Amino acid sequence: GAGVSQSPSNKVTEKGKDVELRCDPISGHTALYWYRQSLGQGLEFLIYFQGNSAPDKSGLPSDRFSAERTGGSVSTLTIQRTQQEDSAVYLCASSQLSPEAFFGQGTRLTVV
Amino acid sequence: AQSVAQPEDQVNVAEGNPLTVKCTYSVSGNPYLFWYVQYPNRGLQFLLKYITGDNLVKGSYGFEAEFNKSQTSFHLKKPSALVSDSAWYFCAVRDNRGGSYIPTFGRGTSLIVHP
Repeated sequence: GAGVSQSPSNKVTEKGKDVELRCDPISGHTALYWYRQSLGQGLEFLIYFQGNSAPDKSGLPSDRFSAERTGGSVSTLTIQRTQQEDSAVYLCASSQLSPEAFFGQGTRLTVV
Repeated sequence: AQSVAQPEDQVNVAEGNPLTVKCTYSVSGNPYLFWYVQYPNRGLQFLLKYITGDNLVKGSYGFEAEFNKSQTSFHLKKPSALVSDSAWYFCAVRDNRGGSYIPTFGRGTSLIVHP
C-alpha cells in the first residue's frame, strides 16, 4: 500500500483479555517502530525492528507486551492480560533509507 | 541519552500572524531533528527534517524550522498562520551516530489558530 496501515482502528477489550494489534509497513521499509501515545504524555517508544537483526525491546513496559515481525514485513503487537492503564493509541511507523519515519493512523485501545 | 523538550503545552495565535512552536533537544552526538503534525484522530504526519547543511529547513504547508546548534534548538515557524494549521505538533530527535535509530519525541504542543 501507499502508507503504513494499522488494524483495527479501534479496539475495546475487557480487562484481563489479550489483544493483538497489526501493522503493515510501507512496502520495502526495513525499519519498523511501535510507539504508545497516552493523553498528554507524548509518544513512548515500545519496540524497534530493523531487517533481520534482533529487535530493540528496551521500551516495552512489562512482560505482558510482546511483538513480532514476520518475513520482515507485517508486525503484530500483543498485549496479554490487558489492564486499564494499557488504554492508549498505539502507533506504528516504518522507514527505509531516509531518517524520518512514516506513521500509520494508529489503533485506539480502550480497556474496560 | 537523547531527549526533547517542548516547553509550551499550547500556543495561541491569530490567523495571518506568524507562529513559532519551540523545541530544544539533547543528544550525545550530532542530531537528526524532525517535526511532525497530528490532526485529530490521525497518526503523525512528517513535516520537515534537519540532517546537515543549511540551518533553515523548509517543509510542507509553508512551515520552516531553524536549527541552532549553540542553543540546541529547532523551533518550528510559519510566516502567516491558517486556522487549518490548528493541530498538535511534535518535535523529535535522533542521534546521527550509528547504533541509535530510534527517534525520541517531545510531549507535543497544541497549536490553536484563531480566526
